[in-house]
Amino acid sequence: NAGVTQTPKFRILKIGQSMTLQCTQDMNHNYMYWYRQDPGMGLKLIYYSVGAGITDKGEVPNGYNVSRSTTEDFPLRLELAAPSQTSVYFCASSRTWGQEYGYTFGSGTRLTVV
Amino acid sequence: GENVEQHPSTLSVQEGDSAVIKCTYSDSASNYFPWYKQELGKRPQLIIDIRSNVGEKKDQRIAVTLNKTAKHFSLHITETQPEDSAVYFCAASRDSGTYKYIFGTGTRLKVLA
Repeated sequence: NAGVTQTPKFRILKIGQSMTLQCTQDMNHNYMYWYRQDPGMGLKLIYYSVGAGITDKGEVPNGYNVSRSTTEDFPLRLELAAPSQTSVYFCASSRTWGQEYGYTFGSGTRLTVV
Repeated sequence: GENVEQHPSTLSVQEGDSAVIKCTYSDSASNYFPWYKQELGKRPQLIIDIRSNVGEKKDQRIAVTLNKTAKHFSLHITETQPEDSAVYFCAASRDSGTYKYIFGTGTRLKVLA
């Protein structure tokens, strides 16, 4: 049981480049989330999904897009990378019927935009 | 909007002493409050949680208390050890709808040997 898997672990992008951060979970969780964590700061919600085909914006969605075509996958897309998007990105998932076990987080993707 | 305030931002204690971290939430409909521990370079890990129908929960050296009237909850770590050094995050959530967490800004705990 892998839990929540994120790829890549590290990436350096040039300003204006695009990339997709991958997130896959094998726990059959309906709910999935993307957070960013800036150095020395807390976790800010970018986007979330309550099931396949359903996504919604969180606190800081600008500059990002998501899709949820399957229960397992929830990729995060950066279209025109900016230095302000330098951060660590965490994907998480949870059960639908209450928070019995809380969020399960992936190991994170450390992104640097130069 | 929904907000969770967390204090202090940094906390240093001597090994063996107790540590207390406090959070205050704004959404009165919140009824689930988890605490996460994040070691350097690692993912956040759930260490304890509490629901609004409970005032206190304890797990070995860790305890969490909740005051719904005042809308605040606290993490208590007793007999601190060097391996307790990490960043701790509180969060608040409703037990319905999107289940999304609103996180506090984190507390960096240093346990001095």
